[in-house]
Amino acid sequence: SQQGEEDPQALSIQEGENATMNCSYKTSINNLQWYRQNSGRGLVHLILIRSNEREKHSGRLRVTLDTSKKSSSLLITASRAADTASYFCATDYNTNAGKSTFGDGTTLTVKP
Amino acid sequence: SQTIHQWPATLVQPVGSPLSLECTVEGTSNPNLYWYRQAAGRGLQLLFYSVGIGQISSEVPQNLSASRPQDRQFILSSKKLLLSDSGFYLCAWRQETSYEQYFGPGTRLTVT
Repeated sequence: SQQGEEDPQALSIQEGENATMNCSYKTSINNLQWYRQNSGRGLVHLILIRSNEREKHSGRLRVTLDTSKKSSSLLITASRAADTASYFCATDYNTNAGKSTFGDGTTLTVKP
Repeated sequence: SQTIHQWPATLVQPVGSPLSLECTVEGTSNPNLYWYRQAAGRGLQLLFYSVGIGQISSEVPQNLSASRPQDRQFILSSKKLLLSDSGFYLCAWRQETSYEQYFGPGTRLTVT
């Protein structure tokens, strides 16, 4: 079964609003990553947070990790229409081969 | 800089026909390589990964096979396609010492 499960499945907001997506996982992880996928394209790596980190920032992105609750959240501030995409969390359970387990993603629509 | 190529971009094949999808990486050496399949609206399912030439690990039993004839070449094959093989196939690579994966543009396979 998949480690990461995103919530909500779909999110629709207005440009300028913040978007929050959540990811839950089941077993201990070494790190958690967030990826973005534009429709019909490959995934693009956004940010990685290690199991000993609680929060990480990159531009308009903020990721938190709560290992006690086995959950992570991705916050996109001041969203833009260009942020419209699907967002996936990926958990790493085998560091030797980097076998990341991906959730089903959250589809974000930002309306101009 | 590193680049990953996948081809073809789209493919329509009849049931029972063979398949060969190719992925090549430029600008790095000894990468870990991955084949994923993505069903519509879903996350990524890891099919195969490779940590070196000739070293292939299969994640799920299926109608597909993979080979790594050269350090930066990863091939996904099938002798006889099934309808259930339809999907979006993504190749990815990562450095052995890193967790971030870099994805190719994908191949949209439709089996008719």
